[in-house]
Amino acid sequence: NAGVTQTPKFQVLKTGQSMTLQCAQDMNHEYMSWYRQDPGMGLRLIHYSVGAGITDQGEVPNGYNVSRSTTEDFPLRLLSAAPSQTSVYFCASSYSSSGVTDTQYFGPGTRLTVL
Amino acid sequence: GQQLNQSPQSMFIQEGEDVSMNCTSSSIFNTWLWYKQEPGEGPVLLIALYKAGELTSNGRLTAQFGITRKDSFLNISASIPSDVGIYFCAGQASGTYKYIFGTGTRLKVLA
Repeated sequence: NAGVTQTPKFQVLKTGQSMTLQCAQDMNHEYMSWYRQDPGMGLRLIHYSVGAGITDQGEVPNGYNVSRSTTEDFPLRLLSAAPSQTSVYFCASSYSSSGVTDTQYFGPGTRLTVL
Repeated sequence: GQQLNQSPQSMFIQEGEDVSMNCTSSSIFNTWLWYKQEPGEGPVLLIALYKAGELTSNGRLTAQFGITRKDSFLNISASIPSDVGIYFCAGQASGTYKYIFGTGTRLKVLA
């Protein structure tokens, strides 16, 4: 298993540009989530999904969109990039059943800089 | 957004010393996780705790799920240089899919 994969590893954008961060997992996990990590802030949840076709907002959803058309993929879209979105983005997945998620496994991260 | 209180924020210790860190929350959690993150990498799961009072070990690492369900502790015995990194706790409340993360404890080990 490749686990959780993320692309690209690094990205530089100009203010106002849009882009999609890719996340895929091959563990057949129902639950997938996106976090951003900023210095001294730990990991903050952006959006999450409990299965194909189902998404919900986390703590810091503004400026980001997600969709979940397949179990494997959970892309994160930045609609109009802003400098405040400069961060490291992590995707995670876990097995879930009956409203409870198992332990989460993280991808290697995407380092995004918005100029 | 809600975050856990994790302490200490950073630690500098000598190789061979034991390390203790903890997380506290105002909410009750059903699950506690402890992760380690090295520079340029994603967090890697160390220990998962599912029951109040549970004590679980993984090599030199031991973690406990607090009796009140509002805290958790991680101990590292006989530290070595490769223990360097940021350690995060994460908690999951009942009836929710979401995990809340602590702000991390940065550990540096001096040889």
